[in-house]
Amino acid sequence: NAGVTQTPKFQVLKTGQSMTLQCAQDMNHNSMYWYRQDPGMGLRLIYYSASEGTTDKGEVPNGYNVSRSTTEDFPLRLLSAAPSQTSVYFCASSDISGIQPQHFGDGTRLSIL
Amino acid sequence: RKEVEQDPGPFNVPEGATVAFNCTYSNSASQSFFWYRQDCRKEPKLLMSVYSSGNEDGRFTAQLNRASQYISLLIRDSKLSDSATYLCVVNEAAGNKLTFGGGTRVLVKP
Repeated sequence: NAGVTQTPKFQVLKTGQSMTLQCAQDMNHNSMYWYRQDPGMGLRLIYYSASEGTTDKGEVPNGYNVSRSTTEDFPLRLLSAAPSQTSVYFCASSDISGIQPQHFGDGTRLSIL
Repeated sequence: RKEVEQDPGPFNVPEGATVAFNCTYSNSASQSFFWYRQDCRKEPKLLMSVYSSGNEDGRFTAQLNRASQYISLLIRDSKLSDSATYLCVVNEAAGNKLTFGGGTRVLVKP
């Protein structure tokens, strides 16, 4: 019953550092997503992947990068961390993008100092 | 105008009472609609899908009004455990992703 697994759960970075947030799903879902959630802003889509080997930008992609080399994994890379990237990050997956509901991981709380 | 809009609340509800709130969407061709629940500092979880004919799941009833482009969620016999933020989610008809509303916060009090 793992579903969507995100690691780490908490992370503190210094400005300029890079890191990768990991996301893995074991439901054989085609589509995967990365969101950030800030107070008063709701969920904002960073990147998504409709299937293995494809990725597309969402609403707020700047400063991030993704890849989808396997069906299971969808890592999110912060290239050079900035304080504005302090947020809670959620990964999600769904069977058919835009039609089936999404299943979320339990989030990564990231602070950039 | 935001694609999916919700009253942020909070809706303060006495335990046992009924509460209802709406969500408006801008894309008249949207086809998929969902309500999610999010507890404080937790991930969103699917509460229910919303079907054209309306649907009910226990104390929760969802309705879709295509003419006025809104969906609604009604909670009957509110429990303290219903306190959460309820997120409205709508697909983009020609796209392949879902758009989340900002959420409506509900506080059920004894």
